[in-house]
Amino acid sequence: GQNIDQPTEMTATEGAIVQINCTYQTSGFNGLFWYQQHAGEAPTFLSYNVLDGLEEKGRFSSFLSRSKGYSYLLLKELQMKDSASYLCAVGKSDYKLSFGAGTTVTVRA
Amino acid sequence: DTAVSQTPKYLVTQMGNDKSIKCEQNLGHDTMYWYKQDSKKFLKIMFSYNNKELIINETVPNRFSPKSPDKAHLNLHINSLELGDSAVYFCASSPSLMSSYEQYFGPGTRLTVT
Repeated sequence: GQNIDQPTEMTATEGAIVQINCTYQTSGFNGLFWYQQHAGEAPTFLSYNVLDGLEEKGRFSSFLSRSKGYSYLLLKELQMKDSASYLCAVGKSDYKLSFGAGTTVTVRA
Repeated sequence: DTAVSQTPKYLVTQMGNDKSIKCEQNLGHDTMYWYKQDSKKFLKIMFSYNNKELIINETVPNRFSPKSPDKAHLNLHINSLELGDSAVYFCASSPSLMSSYEQYFGPGTRLTVT
């Protein structure tokens, strides 16, 4: 995606924690969103941050720092089913959602 | 019950042909979208409709023409297909334009142009 950077791949062990970083540059910022996409399937909405700080949602948490143009998605107690691509997306004031290329997370037993 | 559905799921066709992909949502949402996901996994917005009105029209060749007969349907017609059109096309919907960030995606249509 335009000016949205996230690592291409990450590998972690079942039960561990993984942090996926996302940096962005945009005008008209209106929120940072995370989507999960399993191979061959549709993206599904995970979380969003509009204000700075941490949002916790079960095993998943997302953090935003607007001044730094930075967000991360934290996946705790990793399970095999968490193996998927995680897409960072920036919402803008023109109602568009711009996606990053995604980070493929592989969870190993 | 399927929230956002697309047909067909797979589409294989030759260059130069014209094809359509259909999308329907039963969520009562006002806003619908078409995205293209290429081989590098970039998900890019193509079009957005709100209550049958075109809102977003990204830099897409005019061979692509969306049509929204009602707010529950958004179809995509593609003329004179080219090799570069091969991709997965996702339809999505959101409750409204103001809540456009929580989008519900259909299963995708994998288009292969030979």
